[in-house]
Amino acid sequence: DGGITQSPKYLFRKEGQNVTLSCEQNLNHDAMYWYRQDPGQGLRLIYYSQIVNDFQKGDIAEGYSVSREKKESFPLTVTSAQKNPTAFYLCASSVTSNQPQHFGDGTRLSIL
Amino acid sequence: QQQVKQSPQSLIVQKGGISIINCAYENTAFDYFPWYQQFPGKGPALLIAIRPDVSEKKEGRFTISFNKSAKQFSLHIMDSQPGDSATYFCAASMEGTYKYIFGTGTRLKVLA
Repeated sequence: DGGITQSPKYLFRKEGQNVTLSCEQNLNHDAMYWYRQDPGQGLRLIYYSQIVNDFQKGDIAEGYSVSREKKESFPLTVTSAQKNPTAFYLCASSVTSNQPQHFGDGTRLSIL
Repeated sequence: QQQVKQSPQSLIVQKGGISIINCAYENTAFDYFPWYQQFPGKGPALLIAIRPDVSEKKEGRFTISFNKSAKQFSLHIMDSQPGDSATYFCAASMEGTYKYIFGTGTRLKVLA
């Protein structure tokens, strides 16, 4: 089955700690995205990558970092600089620009 | 100009009724308008999408109506069922870009 796999489903962060969220896709899509979802708000774009070894900041990139070393993988690191990291994080992919985006089932990050 | 305004914020419909969710945009360069359905604890799933060359698109019980002159588009769910209870998001994007602009979501509850 083709799709997007996010892990872990739940993650807890201690103060001053960096945590990394995993996103893997087997759809052979070039583009991948990270969104943050807070209650009562729409999805906000953190970072996106059009192609391997390339990525751009979205609307709320501060306190986050990404890498795109392989086409199928786009991990997101939530750094200690992100002061309000509690949220639902969603990874998505698409064939290219302006095309349907397909989402994983998310990682819920909480602060200990 | 990059906003997509979605209404209502929440909606309660009787089983068998019609659910209508509306979105409005300002940027006339938008040319792709998807709707997503999200169940609690899951990622959004693409429901149906439309491009401005058509005024209506129907897939099963779901219909998108598109009014280019009014810069509005809406989702109609016919014969609404309790299983349709979810949060619905509209979005917009434009040629050559990777960014979706999402609405803030509508929480739909269909009463049995």
